[in-house]
Amino acid sequence: EVQLVESGGSVVRPGGSLRLSCAASGFTFDDYGMSWVRQAPGKGLEWVSGINWNGNRTHYADSVKGRFTISRDNAKNSLYLQMHSLRAEDTALYHCVRGRTGDLDYWGQGTLVTVSS
Amino acid sequence: QSVLTQPPSASGTPGQRVTISCSGSSSNIGSNTVSWYQQLPGTAPKLLIYDNNQRPSGVPDRFSDSQSGTSASLAISGLQSEDEADYYCAAWDDSLNGRVFGTGTKVTVL
Repeated sequence: EVQLVESGGSVVRPGGSLRLSCAASGFTFDDYGMSWVRQAPGKGLEWVSGINWNGNRTHYADSVKGRFTISRDNAKNSLYLQMHSLRAEDTALYHCVRGRTGDLDYWGQGTLVTVSS
Repeated sequence: QSVLTQPPSASGTPGQRVTISCSGSSSNIGSNTVSWYQQLPGTAPKLLIYDNNQRPSGVPDRFSDSQSGTSASLAISGLQSEDEADYYCAAWDDSLNGRVFGTGTKVTVL
C-alpha cells in the first residue's frame, strides 16, 4: 500500500524558515517524480514544487521561487521542502504527492504550516 | 495562482447528470492532458480521472471526462450522495513550466 506521511509543519513567524519532510513507502520511490501541493484554509489547491526521480530536475511555482527548495533522498525514501522567508500567505496544509509532470496519483494527508506573529 | 477556470458550484438531484467545465489556454490544456481530482470533506484530494478518461482502480465509470482545444469537462452520471465533494482539474503548463490547478467546483447533491 502506497503511503506518504508528511511531517515538520508548525507555527513560524514571518520571515522564518521551516523544513518539511515526507516519508514514502509501499512503492519504489526512485521510480517516481514527486511534488508538493498546498491548500490554504478554505481555499483551493496550489501546486508548489516538483522534482524528478533523481533530483536533477526541479520546478517551482512563481509564488515560492527563490524561497523554497525541493529535494529528495532516495536512500531514505524521503522528500523534503526547505522553506525560507515565510510569509502569511504561505499558511496552508502542505501535501506530499506522487507524480511530477503527469498525474498526481497518491496524496499524503498533509502537514500544517502556519505563518503568524 | 489558478490558471484554469471552473464554475464555483454545481448541483443535481440523485440520478441526474452533472458536468463541470475547466477552461485553460494553449500552454496547458491545449498542449497537455487534463487530470481531475476529488476532495471529499475533510480529506486529502484523490485522483479521479487521468490520461483521456482513464480511471484509477475503484473509481466508478459514472465519472468521465472529455477534452477539446483549451477546455475540458468532467461528467458525473447517476449522481449519488457520496459524490458531494470539491472537484479540481489540473494540467501541466508549458509556459509556466509548472502544474496549474483549476479554481475548484463544489458539487452538491440536492
